[in-house]
Amino acid sequence: GIQVEQSPPDLILQEGANSTLRCNFSDSVNNLQWFHQNPWGQLINLFYIPSGTKQNGRLSATTVATERYSLLYISSSQTTDSGVYFCALSDGRRANNLFFGTGTRLTVIP
Amino acid sequence: DVKVTQSSRYLVKRTGEKVFLECVQDMDHENMFWYRQDPGLGLRLIYFSYDVKMKEKGDIPEGYSVSREKKERFSLILESASTNQTSMYLCASSQGTSGRREYFGPGTRLTVL
Repeated sequence: GIQVEQSPPDLILQEGANSTLRCNFSDSVNNLQWFHQNPWGQLINLFYIPSGTKQNGRLSATTVATERYSLLYISSSQTTDSGVYFCALSDGRRANNLFFGTGTRLTVIP
Repeated sequence: DVKVTQSSRYLVKRTGEKVFLECVQDMDHENMFWYRQDPGLGLRLIYFSYDVKMKEKGDIPEGYSVSREKKERFSLILESASTNQTSMYLCASSQGTSGRREYFGPGTRLTVL
């Protein structure tokens, strides 16, 4: 299946700092999404972004499909942003099968 | 808001028991999914269903079966639980194929002793 790599694997930030999380993928993709998993295990869908740029409050995401990467930006980070961020996508052959990256664990300290 | 609920938050079972995990969504979504999440392995798709009574295998279907008798409900069945099935199980639902977004339930942490 398609390879999904996320970086960095771990990130520690002071509250108020900005960060950029990266997702690289090995093939043309569909259904690229970003998720946040909170410390209690709940996965929240942040963005559906197969291409282009979207913004939602302090979060924004950009996908450059031709160069096979997506970026998630977090500005003015808060302690509630802590958790694991996953990039997930499907390839052209099995649109219903989402492949998840291994995630970036973000810790925001006050 | 889409709501996906799972029958149990925590579950402890013994080896060899038959285990049912239930998932219900309230948004009339066509697609429903079962994943398991393990440290170092991430989320892996077990089974999915794109319609009532329809099912397809994901990446790791061995040892599992599923049932979808009603559109809003998708059940994961462990016919004979084993210790290597100790994991976090996550259910998700979505609508359509293109442009869809997956919505997840809170997860069931299953321990098999």
